[in-house]
Amino acid sequence: DQQVKQNSPSLSVQEGRISILNCDYTNSMFDYFLWYKKYPAEGPTFLISISSIKDKNEDGRFTVFLNKSAKHLSLHIVPSQPGDSAVYFCAASANTGNQFYFGTGTSLTVIP
Amino acid sequence: DTGVSQDPRHKITKRGQNVTFRCDPISEHNRLYWYRQTLGQGPEFLTYFQNEAQLEKSRLLSDRFSAERPKGSFSTLEIQRTEQGDSAMYLCASSLAGTGNQPQHFGDGTRLSIL
Repeated sequence: DQQVKQNSPSLSVQEGRISILNCDYTNSMFDYFLWYKKYPAEGPTFLISISSIKDKNEDGRFTVFLNKSAKHLSLHIVPSQPGDSAVYFCAASANTGNQFYFGTGTSLTVIP
Repeated sequence: DTGVSQDPRHKITKRGQNVTFRCDPISEHNRLYWYRQTLGQGPEFLTYFQNEAQLEKSRLLSDRFSAERPKGSFSTLEIQRTEQGDSAMYLCASSLAGTGNQPQHFGDGTRLSIL
């Protein structure tokens, strides 16, 4: 059973506009959420994370929002750049340091 | 700052052969994880170590799979009697254990192809 879901396999956005990537989860025990970015032939690269005690975390152009009641998180990229084109995975864990559960990824294409 | 290193990057072998992969984590990281990723899916957890102790194993880790981290530094993942279904990307990650949550940092993986 897929505990972390990314329902949009792909997303295209114009350069300079906002990219919004969405993720839903089912396990109410999850307390730590992350976004990873993956280029072809490379491993996932950590982007940004959020703890369940917060509802927003920002790092430069990247902001993650967490809605615990809806079991939903999103990643906003503003402004989007062509170099942001990659597959984005959201991940979650239920306790410190144990396994992460990953979604199936969303392929973002930023059009110049 | 050296990241997580995996070797080899690619492995092609015939069904029934044994294969072994190596992972060198970030040097100060005491936690090490193995994941498997197939096409169109996210990484799936296989097992993790804290120092040399293997603390958790997924049900995905059949008894043909064994992982070791003998001195709490590098780790090996061995697959015996490989099957077609073992074809996948095998990813290693490491993190620091400590207070609070820590992200896992991934290597570039070993792609296994079973002929």
